[in-house]
Amino acid sequence: QQQVKQSPQSLIVQKGGISIINCAYENTAFDYFPWYQQFPGKGPALLIAIRPDVSEKKEGRFTISFNKSAKQFSLHIMDSQPGDSATYFCAASRGGAQKLVFGQGTRLTINP
Amino acid sequence: KAGVTQTPRYLIKTRGQQVTLSCSPISGHRSVSWYQQTPGQGLQFLFEYFSETQRNKGNFPGRFSGRQFSNSRSEMNVSTLELGDSALYLCASTTGMTGGNYGYTFGSGTRLTVV
Repeated sequence: QQQVKQSPQSLIVQKGGISIINCAYENTAFDYFPWYQQFPGKGPALLIAIRPDVSEKKEGRFTISFNKSAKQFSLHIMDSQPGDSATYFCAASRGGAQKLVFGQGTRLTINP
Repeated sequence: KAGVTQTPRYLIKTRGQQVTLSCSPISGHRSVSWYQQTPGQGLQFLFEYFSETQRNKGNFPGRFSGRQFSNSRSEMNVSTLELGDSALYLCASTTGMTGGNYGYTFGSGTRLTVV
């Protein structure tokens, strides 16, 4: 019930392409879904987050799509750049609790 | 604005020893959370403190403990270290407000190696 499943584990995309990472959750009480980006030697940094009352949120080249009925959400990175090469984590939390349940992470590589 | 500061950055300890890690949150942030990151288990929630009180706790044994001081700085302690405790320990802070965009800010972590 507390799991968040993330796929794929690794992803290679050409520069300028679209990177897509997917997550699925089980607990319908989750009400906050952030995505984090982590570079080697650094802590995760918040990229973008969404609540279940909207189906899509866009910030620059990053878009979250949210499907409440399917209990799935995804991150789309448009015009992917080599600087986007990092590990990406989806996460979920519920009811204001400061406790995030993370997916297993996706190692994204953007080839120049 | 200073970020979340974790000390030390690296630590090597022997099995059976204990260790204390420190976290200084962003000024004005009253909530501090701790996470353990390993290649096998990923990012796992340890506990959260708000105004010196533990508000949430993850599924870790009692060897893992923490506390928060009146200035919001936090420490976590691991006693009787095991090889499996080798991990990156991350601290994150927020204002602690509920119902909003929590905007966790993570520190760079403490890399603990148990030998």
